Amino acid sequence: AQKVTQAQTEISVVEKEDVTLDCVYETRDTTYYLFWYKQPPSGELVFLIRRNSFDEQNEISGRYSWNFQKSTSSFNFTITASQVVDSAVYFCALSEAEESSGDKLTFGTGTRLAVRP
Amino acid sequence: NAGVTQTPKFQVLKTGQSMTLQCAQDMNHEYMSWYRQDPGMGLRLIHYSVGAGITDQGEVPNGYNVSRSTTEDFPLRLLSAAPSQTSVYFCASSVGQGYHEQYFGPGTRLTVT
Repeated sequence: AQKVTQAQTEISVVEKEDVTLDCVYETRDTTYYLFWYKQPPSGELVFLIRRNSFDEQNEISGRYSWNFQKSTSSFNFTITASQVVDSAVYFCALSEAEESSGDKLTFGTGTRLAVRP
Repeated sequence: NAGVTQTPKFQVLKTGQSMTLQCAQDMNHEYMSWYRQDPGMGLRLIHYSVGAGITDQGEVPNGYNVSRSTTEDFPLRLLSAAPSQTSVYFCASSVGQGYHEQYFGPGTRLTVT
């Protein structure tokens, strides 16, 4: 069975600090997909990034970067020079490619990030 | 293009009452799903559908029914509400399986007293 662990329940940083959100996953499949979603205080869920299991290249998008390491089953998310608008709950999620799993997303429990001015 | 819409936004039920949470999408997505979000537990899959006429159970299906008569709509029915069903419910849709990101509705906050 697939599992996603976000061990950091809450993180508080001061604006302009860098912060890394950890995500560790478990799966028996060789083909799978990893996602990060953001849930701001308004409550909606916003897709941030997707990675497939065959692509271990790190990705950078503005102040956001993602480090995917299959050797440690981790898909960590770093925000550089954090801003107050980054305050949100961030979810890591895993989807297996097997048809029998029906594209079921398994979410971690989320990390609440508070960025203080 | 409204994306995924959910109604109502808020609902209070008494134990034993039934109701239907509505979900609709206008993106012609085949895959739709329902999640519940509880504090400290992330989002958990209730039911999902890979196309009109096809539904299946997720991780926490007990106490809920779904049907998918059209591509656009995927209602979630609470048969006899219980306090344990107090939660925030999200509907989502996507183009297909596995690789595709899911688009979420704004959520319905349900309280069962």
